[in-house]
Amino acid sequence: KAGVTQTPRYLIKTRGQQVTLSCSPISGHRSVSWYQQTPGQGLQFLFEYFSETQRNKGNFPGRFSGRQFSNSRSEMNVSTLELGDSALYLCASSTEGSEQFFGPGTRLTVL
Amino acid sequence: AQTVTQSQPEMSVQEAETVTLSCTYDTSESDYYLFWYKQPPSRQMILVIRQEAYKQQNATENRFSVNFQKAAKSFSLKISDSQLGDAAMYFCAYRRGISNFGNEKLTFGTGTRLTIIP
Repeated sequence: KAGVTQTPRYLIKTRGQQVTLSCSPISGHRSVSWYQQTPGQGLQFLFEYFSETQRNKGNFPGRFSGRQFSNSRSEMNVSTLELGDSALYLCASSTEGSEQFFGPGTRLTVL
Repeated sequence: AQTVTQSQPEMSVQEAETVTLSCTYDTSESDYYLFWYKQPPSRQMILVIRQEAYKQQNATENRFSVNFQKAAKSFSLKISDSQLGDAAMYFCAYRRGISNFGNEKLTFGTGTRLTIIP
């Protein structure tokens, strides 16, 4: 099976812009979770989607949003980018009760 | 809220030797999972080993094994016969159990950077 894929792998944006990141889960996985990784805050949970519904949300401002499509692919959007949004964004997929499998991440740099 | 603590920011070990990485966690729940993930310089997060809280037997995966002390809320990772390819950041993670339907959230520790000395 193909692993979790994330696009793009690298992204450079300027403050105030918005960005959309994409994640394609492993075939058959219906749950997709997103995490933000920064040197200062470590790995933090953003949100989790299952069957197109957000089931859980981390402690992030409303500028961070996401969605999931009927084929389980997921996107996350960050509006009005700030310098502090520079991070590695990781997506993970899983089936119920299984471990999460991570994608390679999207490295976002905000200038 | 659950917390995961890794008190060793950095560790080093000679190639072929054994090293143990520490992790403690705090939870009031009885049904949960614990994981060790490895993140090499490529940044790809790779699952190393998983432990179900209801299982008394410690999980083992080839050269990797855990010492799960449920009462002490301790979950250490032992790497035997260390290899150069084991060099990475290692993260301990907690997840609520399957009985808590819909909660796939992983809570991570701050990580331990492991260096392998040739």
